[in-house]
Amino acid sequence: QQQVKQSPQSLIVQKGGIPIINCAYENTAFDYFPWYQQFPGKGPALLIAIRPDVSEKKEGRFTISFNKSAKQFSLHIMDSQPGDSATYFCAARKGGSARQLTFGSGTQLTVLP
Amino acid sequence: DGGITQSPKYLFRKEGQNVTLSCEQNLNHDAMYWYRQDPGQGLRLIYYSQIVNDFQKGDIAEGYSVSREKKESFPLTVTSAQKNPTAFYLCASSRDTFNEQFFGPGTRLTVL
Repeated sequence: QQQVKQSPQSLIVQKGGIPIINCAYENTAFDYFPWYQQFPGKGPALLIAIRPDVSEKKEGRFTISFNKSAKQFSLHIMDSQPGDSATYFCAARKGGSARQLTFGSGTQLTVLP
Repeated sequence: DGGITQSPKYLFRKEGQNVTLSCEQNLNHDAMYWYRQDPGQGLRLIYYSQIVNDFQKGDIAEGYSVSREKKESFPLTVTSAQKNPTAFYLCASSRDTFNEQFFGPGTRLTVL
């Protein structure tokens, strides 16, 4: 059972556009929602993260919007650049002792020059 | 230079052979993790360890084994019992399970 559903699978935008990647979750025990950026052949790196008591968080050109009632969260990339071309993963972590991350299936973003 | 190292970067194995993937961290982190990444499926947790000499199965532990004899090392053995071992394997660590996970560069395993 996929606990974090991510869409779209791939996304192509022009430089300066605002790509939006969406994730939905089912388990209300999740209490931490990070986004990771991964370049080909590399490990993922934490980009930005949010907790459910906040509806929006911005770090530079990256913004997470969080809708607790709908159990959805999304990543917006403002003024996207070709260097942002990568695969983006959303994730969710449960509270409790184990605190494992559950990942979405990833979105391959291409920003055209 | 602090971080997580994984070796080798590429690994080829014949069917029926066990193979061990290395993961070392010098971040003084207590928790370490192994993930498997397949195209279109995101990352799936194989095993994790919250402290030395302790580890727990993740979602897809069958056909894998780990050890955690030292704080800085968490090797993963892919056994011949793993049906589809060809994948990209990622190791991660965190200060503890409450904190951010940092990922290594990965090992791409191909079974011939």
